[in-house]
Amino acid sequence: QQQVKQSPQSLIVQKGGISIINCAYENTAFDYFPWYQQFPGKGPALLIAIRPDVSEKKEGRFTISFNKSAKQFSLHIMDSQPGDSATYFCAAIADGQNFVFGPGTRLSVLP
Amino acid sequence: GAGVSQSPRYKVAKRGQDVALRCDPISGHVSLFWYQQALGQGPEFLTYFQNEAQLDKSGLPSDRFFAERPEGSVSTLKIQRTQQEDSAVYLCASSSRDSTYNEQFFGPGTRLTVL
Repeated sequence: QQQVKQSPQSLIVQKGGISIINCAYENTAFDYFPWYQQFPGKGPALLIAIRPDVSEKKEGRFTISFNKSAKQFSLHIMDSQPGDSATYFCAAIADGQNFVFGPGTRLSVLP
Repeated sequence: GAGVSQSPRYKVAKRGQDVALRCDPISGHVSLFWYQQALGQGPEFLTYFQNEAQLDKSGLPSDRFFAERPEGSVSTLKIQRTQQEDSAVYLCASSSRDSTYNEQFFGPGTRLTVL
Protein backbone atom coordinates (compact mmCIF):
# COMPACT_ATOMS: atom_id res chain seq x y z
CA GLN A 1 0.00 0.00 0.00
CA GLN A 2 3.01 2.25 0.43
CA GLN A 3 4.12 1.75 -3.15
CA VAL A 4 3.99 4.44 -5.81
CA LYS A 5 3.88 3.08 -9.37
CA GLN A 6 5.37 5.08 -12.21
CA SER A 7 5.30 4.73 -15.99
CA PRO A 8 6.81 4.67 -18.50
CA GLN A 9 10.21 3.45 -17.39
CA SER A 10 11.80 5.40 -20.22
CA LEU A 11 10.56 8.01 -22.66
CA ILE A 12 11.98 9.51 -25.84
CA VAL A 13 10.49 12.77 -27.09
CA GLN A 14 11.40 15.11 -29.91
CA LYS A 15 12.38 18.67 -29.08
CA GLY A 16 9.26 20.77 -28.76
CA GLY A 17 7.05 17.81 -27.95
CA ILE A 18 5.07 17.01 -24.80
CA SER A 19 6.49 14.58 -22.26
CA ILE A 20 3.95 12.81 -20.05
CA ILE A 21 4.84 10.69 -17.03
CA ASN A 22 2.20 8.94 -14.97
CA CYS A 23 2.06 7.80 -11.36
CA ALA A 24 -0.47 5.87 -9.31
CA TYR A 25 -0.80 5.13 -5.62
CA GLU A 26 -2.96 3.09 -3.27
CA ASN A 27 -2.52 4.76 0.11
CA THR A 28 -5.39 7.26 0.43
CA ALA A 29 -3.56 8.88 3.34
CA PHE A 30 -1.01 10.40 0.95
CA ASP A 31 -1.60 14.15 0.84
CA TYR A 32 1.43 15.69 -0.82
CA PHE A 33 2.81 14.73 -4.22
CA PRO A 34 6.14 16.21 -5.37
CA TRP A 35 8.06 15.53 -8.55
CA TYR A 36 11.83 15.42 -8.49
CA GLN A 37 14.30 15.77 -11.37
CA GLN A 38 17.66 14.02 -11.22
CA PHE A 39 20.63 14.49 -13.54
CA PRO A 40 23.41 11.89 -13.68
CA GLY A 41 25.78 12.18 -10.73
CA LYS A 42 23.51 14.61 -8.92
CA GLY A 43 20.94 14.32 -6.19
CA PRO A 44 17.24 14.74 -6.97
CA ALA A 45 15.91 18.31 -7.03
CA LEU A 46 12.32 19.37 -6.42
CA LEU A 47 10.56 20.36 -9.64
CA ILE A 48 6.94 20.92 -8.71
CA ALA A 49 4.50 19.61 -6.11
CA ILE A 50 0.74 19.38 -5.58
CA ARG A 51 -1.73 18.72 -2.79
CA PRO A 52 -4.93 16.75 -3.50
CA ASP A 53 -7.25 19.71 -2.97
CA VAL A 54 -6.43 20.95 -6.49
CA SER A 55 -6.66 19.08 -9.80
CA GLU A 56 -3.88 20.89 -11.63
CA LYS A 57 -0.82 22.99 -10.93
CA LYS A 58 1.29 24.72 -13.54
CA GLU A 59 4.76 26.21 -13.21
CA GLY A 60 6.25 27.38 -16.48
CA ARG A 61 6.46 24.43 -18.88
CA PHE A 62 5.71 21.91 -16.10
CA THR A 63 2.16 20.88 -15.13
CA ILE A 64 0.91 18.35 -12.60
CA SER A 65 -2.53 16.87 -13.19
CA PHE A 66 -4.11 15.14 -10.20
CA ASN A 67 -7.08 12.73 -10.22
CA LYS A 68 -7.97 12.00 -6.60
CA SER A 69 -10.74 9.49 -7.34
CA ALA A 70 -8.47 7.45 -9.60
CA LYS A 71 -5.49 7.89 -7.26
CA GLN A 72 -3.36 8.98 -10.18
CA PHE A 73 -1.24 11.99 -10.99
CA SER A 74 0.91 12.94 -13.92
CA LEU A 75 3.64 15.32 -14.98
CA HIS A 76 3.41 17.10 -18.30
CA ILE A 77 6.44 18.85 -19.76
CA MET A 78 5.42 21.17 -22.56
CA ASP A 79 7.82 22.23 -25.32
CA SER A 80 10.34 19.64 -24.13
CA GLN A 81 13.98 20.66 -24.51
CA PRO A 82 17.19 18.59 -24.66
CA GLY A 83 18.13 20.14 -21.29
CA ASP A 84 15.09 18.41 -19.79
CA SER A 85 16.75 15.05 -20.40
CA ALA A 86 16.99 13.54 -16.92
CA THR A 87 15.33 10.99 -14.66
CA TYR A 88 12.05 12.06 -13.11
CA PHE A 89 10.66 10.66 -9.87
CA CYS A 90 7.18 11.09 -8.52
CA ALA A 91 6.80 10.82 -4.77
CA ALA A 92 4.10 10.82 -2.14
CA ILE A 93 3.91 11.44 1.58
CA ALA A 94 1.36 11.06 4.33
CA ASP A 95 1.21 13.00 7.58
CA GLY A 96 3.79 11.72 10.02
CA GLN A 97 5.36 9.42 7.49
CA ASN A 98 8.18 9.78 5.02
CA PHE A 99 8.51 10.16 1.30
CA VAL A 100 7.80 7.18 -0.93
CA PHE A 101 9.40 7.56 -4.35
CA GLY A 102 8.39 5.95 -7.62
CA PRO A 103 10.99 3.94 -9.56
CA GLY A 104 11.72 6.78 -11.98
CA THR A 105 11.33 7.62 -15.66
CA ARG A 106 14.35 8.28 -17.80
CA LEU A 107 13.47 11.04 -20.28
CA SER A 108 15.52 11.70 -23.39
CA VAL A 109 14.63 14.73 -25.51
CA LEU A 110 16.10 14.53 -28.98
CA PRO A 111 17.39 17.73 -30.59
CA GLY B 1 25.25 29.49 -0.20
CA ALA B 2 26.58 25.96 -0.22
CA GLY B 3 24.22 23.10 -0.75
CA VAL B 4 24.25 19.69 0.89
CA SER B 5 27.64 18.05 0.58
CA GLN B 6 28.53 14.41 0.98
CA SER B 7 31.83 12.62 1.31
CA PRO B 8 33.35 10.57 -0.02
CA ARG B 9 31.67 10.75 -3.41
CA TYR B 10 32.81 7.23 -4.21
CA LYS B 11 33.69 4.39 -1.88
CA VAL B 12 34.85 0.90 -2.73
CA ALA B 13 34.84 -1.59 0.12
CA LYS B 14 35.64 -5.24 0.40
CA ARG B 15 32.87 -7.42 1.74
CA GLY B 16 33.00 -7.39 5.52
CA GLN B 17 34.58 -3.96 5.87
CA ASP B 18 32.98 -1.15 7.81
CA VAL B 19 32.30 2.16 6.05
CA ALA B 20 31.31 5.63 7.21
CA LEU B 21 29.54 8.11 4.95
CA ARG B 22 29.37 11.78 5.86
CA CYS B 23 26.70 14.38 5.19
CA ASP B 24 27.05 18.14 5.68
CA PRO B 25 23.56 19.64 5.46
CA ILE B 26 22.72 23.19 4.54
CA SER B 27 23.61 25.40 7.50
CA GLY B 28 20.70 25.87 9.86
CA HIS B 29 18.59 23.07 8.42
CA VAL B 30 16.73 21.28 11.15
CA SER B 31 15.79 18.08 9.39
CA LEU B 32 18.14 15.55 7.82
CA PHE B 33 17.27 12.45 5.86
CA TRP B 34 19.21 9.47 4.53
CA TYR B 35 18.08 7.50 1.48
CA GLN B 36 19.42 4.48 -0.37
CA GLN B 37 19.13 4.53 -4.16
CA ALA B 38 19.80 1.28 -5.99
CA LEU B 39 20.79 1.43 -9.64
CA GLY B 40 17.82 2.39 -11.79
CA GLN B 41 15.50 2.82 -8.81
CA GLY B 42 14.02 5.66 -6.82
CA PRO B 43 15.44 6.68 -3.45
CA GLU B 44 14.28 4.59 -0.50
CA PHE B 45 13.98 6.18 2.92
CA LEU B 46 16.43 5.00 5.57
CA THR B 47 16.25 7.38 8.52
CA TYR B 48 15.27 10.90 9.63
CA PHE B 49 16.74 13.33 12.17
CA GLN B 50 15.25 16.45 13.65
CA ASN B 51 18.25 18.29 15.07
CA GLU B 52 20.18 15.59 16.96
CA ALA B 53 17.16 13.37 17.59
CA GLN B 54 16.69 10.36 15.35
CA LEU B 55 12.90 10.38 14.99
CA ASP B 56 12.51 7.56 12.48
CA LYS B 57 14.87 4.73 11.61
CA SER B 58 12.27 2.39 10.23
CA GLY B 59 13.95 2.23 6.81
CA LEU B 60 17.33 0.96 8.00
CA PRO B 61 17.57 -2.50 6.38
CA SER B 62 19.45 -4.24 9.18
CA ASP B 63 21.24 -3.67 12.45
CA ARG B 64 24.44 -3.30 10.44
CA PHE B 65 23.25 0.19 9.52
CA PHE B 66 23.65 2.98 12.04
CA ALA B 67 23.24 6.74 11.69
CA GLU B 68 24.05 9.59 14.03
CA ARG B 69 23.89 13.37 14.16
CA PRO B 70 25.37 14.17 17.56
CA GLU B 71 25.39 17.97 17.35
CA GLY B 72 22.40 18.43 15.12
CA SER B 73 24.46 19.33 12.08
CA VAL B 74 26.81 16.87 10.36
CA SER B 75 25.52 13.31 10.10
CA THR B 76 27.30 10.02 9.56
CA LEU B 77 25.80 6.83 8.17
CA LYS B 78 27.82 3.81 9.19
CA ILE B 79 27.51 0.38 7.64
CA GLN B 80 29.20 -2.48 9.44
CA ARG B 81 30.35 -5.71 7.82
CA THR B 82 29.33 -4.53 4.36
CA GLN B 83 27.64 -6.97 2.00
CA GLN B 84 27.34 -6.87 -1.78
CA GLU B 85 23.66 -5.98 -1.53
CA ASP B 86 24.67 -2.76 0.24
CA SER B 87 26.07 -1.45 -3.07
CA ALA B 88 24.02 1.64 -3.92
CA VAL B 89 24.09 5.41 -3.91
CA TYR B 90 23.45 6.83 -0.45
CA LEU B 91 21.72 10.19 -0.59
CA CYS B 92 21.47 12.72 2.18
CA ALA B 93 18.87 15.50 2.18
CA SER B 94 18.16 18.37 4.53
CA SER B 95 15.16 20.57 5.11
CA SER B 96 14.81 23.91 6.81
CA ARG B 97 11.85 23.03 8.97
CA ASP B 98 10.74 20.32 11.29
CA SER B 99 8.13 18.87 8.99
CA THR B 100 8.68 16.03 6.58
CA TYR B 101 6.47 17.88 4.09
CA ASN B 102 8.96 20.63 3.46
CA GLU B 103 11.20 20.66 0.40
CA GLN B 104 14.20 18.42 0.84
CA PHE B 105 17.49 19.51 -0.66
CA PHE B 106 19.56 16.55 -1.74
CA GLY B 107 23.30 16.13 -1.82
CA PRO B 108 25.08 14.45 -4.77
CA GLY B 109 25.26 11.12 -2.97
CA THR B 110 27.98 8.64 -2.11
CA ARG B 111 28.28 5.72 -4.50
CA LEU B 112 29.21 2.65 -2.46
CA THR B 113 30.50 -0.43 -4.24
CA VAL B 114 31.05 -3.55 -2.18
CA LEU B 115 33.26 -6.15 -3.84
